[in-house]
Amino acid sequence: DIQMTQTPSSMPASLGERVTISCRASQGISNYLNWYQQKPDGTIKPLIYYTSNLQSGVPSRFSGSGSGTDYSLTISSLEPEDFAMYYCQQYDSSPWTFGGGTKLELK
Amino acid sequence: EIQLQESGPGLVKPSQSLSLTCSVTGYTITSGYDWSWIRKFPGNKMEWMGYISYSGSTNYNPSLKSRISITRDTSKNQFFLQLNSVTTEDTATYYCARFDTMDWYFDFWGPGTMVTVSS
Repeated sequence: DIQMTQTPSSMPASLGERVTISCRASQGISNYLNWYQQKPDGTIKPLIYYTSNLQSGVPSRFSGSGSGTDYSLTISSLEPEDFAMYYCQQYDSSPWTFGGGTKLELK
Repeated sequence: EIQLQESGPGLVKPSQSLSLTCSVTGYTITSGYDWSWIRKFPGNKMEWMGYISYSGSTNYNPSLKSRISITRDTSKNQFFLQLNSVTTEDTATYYCARFDTMDWYFDFWGPGTMVTVSS
């Protein structure tokens, strides 16, 4: 299985701050990388697919980039509703696997 | 709007089977896409468990292959998870989700249902 390592596991941040979450795969995954957000109530929604494509309805302050084994999710200016858990997920090879999650917390 | 909703017992005894239902509205599960089960453990680890495709074929995570079964009832537009011989390590929040097979991501998720395995 491809292992996905997300860093950091938690991140205190302030409103308006720019933050970046990293995701590293144990082998190259050819940009087959998605990002999801989980809210405190448990609901999960997609943010970005295929490394950098923004899901419809997701604000443009979210962006994704990367290649090979290293990928990142950037939020350009934190809004109150962005404090949540974030997960990366690879689909280069089955079984699809997720990163360990990053909890974005209000500083 | 496509909606998915998980349902089933919140408490299962060790060695028994865990059975969950995912009810889908706003889209017919035989029309396309793959229909998955995913779980999130206490401590935040997430695991894709498997899917049933629109045609009825299945694909399971090898880590669960001997214990898992995903089936469906097309007349009710539902699909199901059965996990056998559960242990306390199967305690998790279980999600059903649609996997978009064109853009290859989980585009619609249910709200999740918490299942505790305990005697």
